[in-house]
Amino acid sequence: DAGITQSPRHKVTETGTPVTLRCHQTENHRYMYWYRQDPGHGLRLIHYSYGVKDTDKGEVSDGYSVSRSKTEDFLLTLESATSSQTSVYFCAISDATRETQYFGPGTRLLVL
Amino acid sequence: EDQVTQSPEALRLQEGESSSLNCSYTVSGLRGLFWYRQDPGKGPEFLFTLYSAGEEKEKERLKATLTKKESFLHITAPKPEDSATYLCAVQVIISSGSARQLTFGSGTQLTVLP
Repeated sequence: DAGITQSPRHKVTETGTPVTLRCHQTENHRYMYWYRQDPGHGLRLIHYSYGVKDTDKGEVSDGYSVSRSKTEDFLLTLESATSSQTSVYFCAISDATRETQYFGPGTRLLVL
Repeated sequence: EDQVTQSPEALRLQEGESSSLNCSYTVSGLRGLFWYRQDPGKGPEFLFTLYSAGEEKEKERLKATLTKKESFLHITAPKPEDSATYLCAVQVIISSGSARQLTFGSGTQLTVLP
């Protein structure tokens, strides 16, 4: 998985609780992305980062926030989890050429 | 609006039975078309990038081709280990070039029977 780890790999939480997912890379790549994958929707971009403390929204950003304080870490936070955020979350990275994105192993989140 | 449509949704083949998966797209500012393979419970694994119509890429039993409106992933003499979901994605520029977004199709689930 191109030096990408995600934690936790599985999480069950309750509606209304905050949740933070972590993506860690060892490739020193500049760009990092958070996607969610749902049946029938494919992978959809939530947020991305183009450098430390530089982030922007993707197409499905409502209800999510991100932070990147170090090159290697990109955090995704659900401030108040809802059942519609039950999904599989993937982190991806790409280098300065912004060509190929390499994906992590995913985090399976269930919001009850 | 950028759209990527993959067909069929699911495909069952006998070992050795060649076939093709289709990815049709409608985008503005295409920078590249990507094929990924995804095994159950894992993240997408990069296979190919195609940049211009007429381009072809090959890897083992897989060959990807690109036209102005669609891409095909040809699988020649598949084996059971080729069973996976194959994802197509188009890359477009977003936010004044600061990053590039991948827009994915929903995938084709391929099953190769021994």
